[in-house]
Amino acid sequence: DTAVSQTPKYLVTQMGNDKSIKCEQNLGHDTMYWYKQDSKKFLKIMFSYNNKELIINETVPNRFSPKSPDKAHLNLHINSLELGDSAVYFCASSSRSRGNQPQHFGDGTRLSIL
Amino acid sequence: TQLLEQSPQFLSIQEGENLTVYCNSSSVFSSLQWYRQEPGEGPVLLVTVVTGGEVKKLKRLTFQFGDARKDSSLHITAAQPGDTGLYLCAGGETSGSRLTFGEGTQLTVNP
Repeated sequence: DTAVSQTPKYLVTQMGNDKSIKCEQNLGHDTMYWYKQDSKKFLKIMFSYNNKELIINETVPNRFSPKSPDKAHLNLHINSLELGDSAVYFCASSSRSRGNQPQHFGDGTRLSIL
Repeated sequence: TQLLEQSPQFLSIQEGENLTVYCNSSSVFSSLQWYRQEPGEGPVLLVTVVTGGEVKKLKRLTFQFGDARKDSSLHITAAQPGDTGLYLCAGGETSGSRLTFGEGTQLTVNP
């Protein structure tokens, strides 16, 4: 049983296109996240939603728009893709109501901009 | 903004050797989590330490949280090729669920 699943695993597209990445968790968690991992493997938080409410919104270009239709889903839409958007994007989830809980990660979406 | 400095960034050792990875900050964290990430996968939690001075052992891995809850270390005894991977430390904030990640340590254990 996959706990946090994100699709697609690979995404190759041209500059200027619009694309979406989907994430679903079946752990019953109330909080979900999007991270960007660059070529140096640094994991940087982008957004976080708790019970469908945006609670973390880091300095991210407004071309990136997260959407959480319900607690179990958090999607990421990216408009006008740029070369610098090439990275691995990870979705994660955790239980915010209980402190110091681990985050459970998906396997990542490898985005390559041509 | 809380920052976590992790060192070394790269480590290549022979099977059987011991190693230590360090995670340091000027900020106090409510918890320190260690993750391991393998190629093509997301990070997976190894351990969480929450009390200053706490030591946890996971087989050949020993994790320590500093007394002031600003730093942590991961020590691996008699490393094996299966230990190869990216090790990430992450500090938990006092309120909320945000994690601040270190830059990661890419460990390679050669047979």
